Amino acid sequence: AQSVAQPEDQVNVAEGNPLTVKCTYSVSGNPYLFWYVQYPNRGLQFLLKYITGDNLVKGSYGFEAEFNKSQTSFHLKKPSALVSDSALYFCAVGSGNNAGNMLTFGGGTRLMVKP
Amino acid sequence: KAGVTQTPRYLIKTRGQQVTLSCSPISGHRSVSWYQQTPGQGLQFLFEYFSETQRNKGNFPGRFSGRQFSNSRSEMNVSTLELGDSALYLCASGPGLAGAGGETQYFGPGTRLLVL
Repeated sequence: AQSVAQPEDQVNVAEGNPLTVKCTYSVSGNPYLFWYVQYPNRGLQFLLKYITGDNLVKGSYGFEAEFNKSQTSFHLKKPSALVSDSALYFCAVGSGNNAGNMLTFGGGTRLMVKP
Repeated sequence: KAGVTQTPRYLIKTRGQQVTLSCSPISGHRSVSWYQQTPGQGLQFLFEYFSETQRNKGNFPGRFSGRQFSNSRSEMNVSTLELGDSALYLCASGPGLAGAGGETQYFGPGTRLLVL
């Protein structure tokens, strides 16, 4: 069975500072990894994903994520945080065994960016 | 392209009733998945439909069911509602390529269900 862990319930950063939201995963086989963001009373917005290739993946709104196979991690990063980045962030792993599309999500991390 | 749409956006029901939620995927997408989001359990996969067939199913009781129509629109039904069914129900669509666990899923705004 696959699983995702987001060890921090909340991350606080000051505007303009770099941010990191952590994610570790457990899968058998090749990992398909995703980051989504959720704003209040909204659905999930896709930020980026790792399928294969370069370990550094660039996504929407200046976000990027680093895939580390040896540490089974897929941390989300941004060089300079904005107040508007404050939201709930979810890491997810996709099924990769020809079983269609099923995402397993981490518990989410609330990002608070203070002016 | 228009995004994933879900109706209704908000719903209030009482215990024992049943409810039907609707999802229209992005045009051209053939896979529709449903997720339940609650503060206690987080985001949990309910089921996925592809070409009118259920392709995957999560660990939910049989009270939760779904279907997909030939135009890829999907409905999910919850019968005999319980208080614990109060949640945000999210629908996601994707192209539905076979064996594509890395396929991006695009989510709708959700239907917030409150069971009293």
